Amino acid sequence: GQQLNQSPQSMFIQEGEDVSMNCTSSSIFNTWLWYKQDPGEGPVLLIALYKAGELTSNGRLTAQFGITRKDSFLNISASIPSDVGIYFCAGPLNAGGTSYGKLTFGQGTILTVHP
Amino acid sequence: GAGVSQSPSNKVTEKGKDVELRCDPISGHTALYWYRQSLGQGLEFLIYFQGNSAPDKSGLPSDRFSAERTGGSVSTLTIQRTQQEDSAVYLCASSLFSREQYFGPGTRLTVT
Repeated sequence: GQQLNQSPQSMFIQEGEDVSMNCTSSSIFNTWLWYKQDPGEGPVLLIALYKAGELTSNGRLTAQFGITRKDSFLNISASIPSDVGIYFCAGPLNAGGTSYGKLTFGQGTILTVHP
Repeated sequence: GAGVSQSPSNKVTEKGKDVELRCDPISGHTALYWYRQSLGQGLEFLIYFQGNSAPDKSGLPSDRFSAERTGGSVSTLTIQRTQQEDSAVYLCASSLFSREQYFGPGTRLTVT
């Protein structure tokens, strides 16, 4: 299966700051997904990307599908306390997969927002 | 409507015992997935059911792990002769065909 490298592992920021995290793979992905997980809950899908170069927004969140198809970025603007949680990138487990299907996940970025 | 539910929410068991974890998917969803999340790690795929097709068991870590999906709905993940390294959060997700996956809250398994 494909492996995803996510960075940074953790971030400590002040409320109102912008945040950026990224995910890279040694293999080409046809789909990139970004999830958020709150303590004691399952991950919730934030943004899905399907095409190289695609830039998609969901409120204060913006994600991009890298041109090389081997990376993706998630940005959060004007962070607020409820942005706290763990953010995961994910993609199809098998090379060339295009459906949501079974997924492989990055190690996660733990975000802490200080009021 | 109801989301994906899992039971129990927490399970503590002794090494060597068998455990069963249950997942109730969203009604009408055709696909069901099990993942495992170890402390501080991302999710690891275990098994995938899609409709009436044979399940994709390629992620199961050993033959101590098995899963069933009865009537195309409820699924049970069984771990036999549990080991301490089986301690993790077990997450279930469901989707309509292979579209967006909705996750349950997970079952936290602790093997002592």
